[in-house]
Amino acid sequence: EAGVAQSPRYKIIEKRQSVAFWCNPISGHATLYWYQQILGQGPKLLIQFQNNGVVDDSQLPKDRFSAERLKGVDSTLKIQPAKLEDSAVYLCASSPPRQGGEAFFGQGTRLTVV
Amino acid sequence: KNEVEQSPQNLTAQEGEFITINCSYSVGISALHWLQQHPGGGIVSLFMLSSGKKKHGRLIATINIQEKHSSLHITASHPRDSAVYICAVNNWATDKLIFGTGTRLQVFP
Repeated sequence: EAGVAQSPRYKIIEKRQSVAFWCNPISGHATLYWYQQILGQGPKLLIQFQNNGVVDDSQLPKDRFSAERLKGVDSTLKIQPAKLEDSAVYLCASSPPRQGGEAFFGQGTRLTVV
Repeated sequence: KNEVEQSPQNLTAQEGEFITINCSYSVGISALHWLQQHPGGGIVSLFMLSSGKKKHGRLIATINIQEKHSSLHITASHPRDSAVYICAVNNWATDKLIFGTGTRLQVFP
């Protein structure tokens, strides 16, 4: 079974530039999560999708972050414009359409804003 | 107070030692996950538990639903076990996955 695919693996940008991350979840997984993990901290949920609908985006900084999940499959997370404090690993995870389904994680995208 | 608390935050061990990492949570859950994160950042799911105990190789995970507590044990630890171990729970009501802050384990030869 293919895992959760994320790209790119690494990205370095200057502050005020824009960046986009892509995630392809495991086939059939209805729930998709984007997390931000700052060095030394646990992952923080940015947004949770159920199919192509947003379940929770309460911690998404909507003035600069946006995410979409077209057709309930792939998802993109965008930051525009980036700030220094956005430097983190951005993790995508997916889980099956049932409560407590095992979550599978992508390798993450390490973003450095300089 | 975090909904998921882990202890210890940092742990060092000599190769061969028995290791225990603890996780306590305060919300109703449908499942608890133990995850391993290596320095490159990628996360691997080790266990998903809703009751009892699971074993995989040298790793053992237990959960006590009544006490809202889980433990991850590593027997005969090895330097390659060095990683951050993260506990996460599925909130029963929202299905949101809530993470602990992780335990950084270093095993020395």
